[in-house]
Amino acid sequence: NAGVTQTPKFRILKIGQSMTLQCTQDMNHNYMYWYRQDPGMGLKLIYYSVGAGITDKGEVPNGYNVSRSTTEDFPLRLELAAPSQTSVYFCASSPRQGAGNQPQHFGDGTRLSIL
Amino acid sequence: QQQVKQSPQSLIVQKGGISIINCAYENTAFDYFPWYQQFPGKGPALLIAIRPDVSEKKEGRFTISFNKSAKQFSLHIMDSQPGDSATYFCAATGDSGAGSYQLTFGKGTKLSVIP
Repeated sequence: NAGVTQTPKFRILKIGQSMTLQCTQDMNHNYMYWYRQDPGMGLKLIYYSVGAGITDKGEVPNGYNVSRSTTEDFPLRLELAAPSQTSVYFCASSPRQGAGNQPQHFGDGTRLSIL
Repeated sequence: QQQVKQSPQSLIVQKGGISIINCAYENTAFDYFPWYQQFPGKGPALLIAIRPDVSEKKEGRFTISFNKSAKQFSLHIMDSQPGDSATYFCAATGDSGAGSYQLTFGKGTKLSVIP
């Protein structure tokens, strides 16, 4: 059981370039999330999705876009990379939360440097 | 801005000792308090979680203590081992509307257990 898979694991971008961080989960979870983790700052929510076709902004959405065409996939798009977007990005998923909170399962992250 | 304040930022404990990490929250709508453990190069993984209807939850060497009136909760690691060396994040969540539950993370505590 792969869980949450993120690709690539590492990437170096030049300022102004664009890229898509891929995330896929095989647990049939309805909820998916994108976080960024900066040293000493914990995890900040960028975007989340409660199901295919539905996305919403988190705490730090500026400079990012997402889409959710299937239950399994939740890609994160950087259109014009900026040095401030240098970070470690984590994708997570959780089951339907109709009965209350459910734990989030995380991928191993994408380490992105923008130079 | 919903916040979860975590302390200390770093912690060094001798093997066999007790590790204690503290968190405080402000939002009284929070109703689920998980702790995540993160090893270098990996994503956070759920360690243990508690709901506010109980004051303590124990799983093996890991215990959460919860004080609802003070809006504080803490993680105790008994008989700490070198393999427990990791970064620990407390988090909190509650229904933020439309049935979505967004995790708010503390900034993390880097635990080092020395032999």
